[in-house]
Amino acid sequence: GAVVSQHPSWVICKSGTSVKIECRSLDFQATTMFWYRQFPKQSLMLMATSNEGSKATYEQGVEKDKFLINHASLTLSTLTVTSAHPEDSSFYICSVVQAEKLFFGSGTQLSVL
Amino acid sequence: GQSLEQPSEVTAVEGAIVQINCTYQTSGFYGLSWYQQHDGGAPTFLSYNGLDGLEETGRFSSFLSRSDSYGYLLLQELQMKDSASYFCAAYGQNFVFGPGTRLSVLP
Repeated sequence: GAVVSQHPSWVICKSGTSVKIECRSLDFQATTMFWYRQFPKQSLMLMATSNEGSKATYEQGVEKDKFLINHASLTLSTLTVTSAHPEDSSFYICSVVQAEKLFFGSGTQLSVL
Repeated sequence: GQSLEQPSEVTAVEGAIVQINCTYQTSGFYGLSWYQQHDGGAPTFLSYNGLDGLEETGRFSSFLSRSDSYGYLLLQELQMKDSASYFCAAYGQNFVFGPGTRLSVLP
């Protein structure tokens, strides 16, 4: 299946700063990437669908101005958490879809102090 | 809207067989897939059913009944390393995940 690389694996930042997370599809041209958020012992919640060369589609309740998504190429999507606050602390995971299967990056654990 | 239901926890012993059920309510449904997630890790794909019936992949099998909006994941010959969370996901306009089932395999 598709190989997806996500960086960083973990990040600790101060409240009010911005954090960028990169998601790369290493062997597959991904016109679409998905960004999920997962709180401890909970399911994956879709935040947004990232579309190459166009604006991302955000799920209801997700602030597009807070979670900036850029999908400038077929292999790279980035999620920027702007002005992060402690309630944004979570596990963020990107994925690509190939033949009805999702392949995930390794995830980014964000801790906002 | 879309919603899926799974049992929250299942416990079994090594070598046993366990079935994790999933019921779903979705629009524009194409298929049901299953993912395994170990603590601290990312989900990994296990199985996908686009058609009714049974799909077998080694020790894991998955079943789908569209008429019943129901599927299950069957894990055979359980091993300690199978202790993880298992998620069903409905594939329609996008992928919607169930709440997850925490499987604990005991020696």
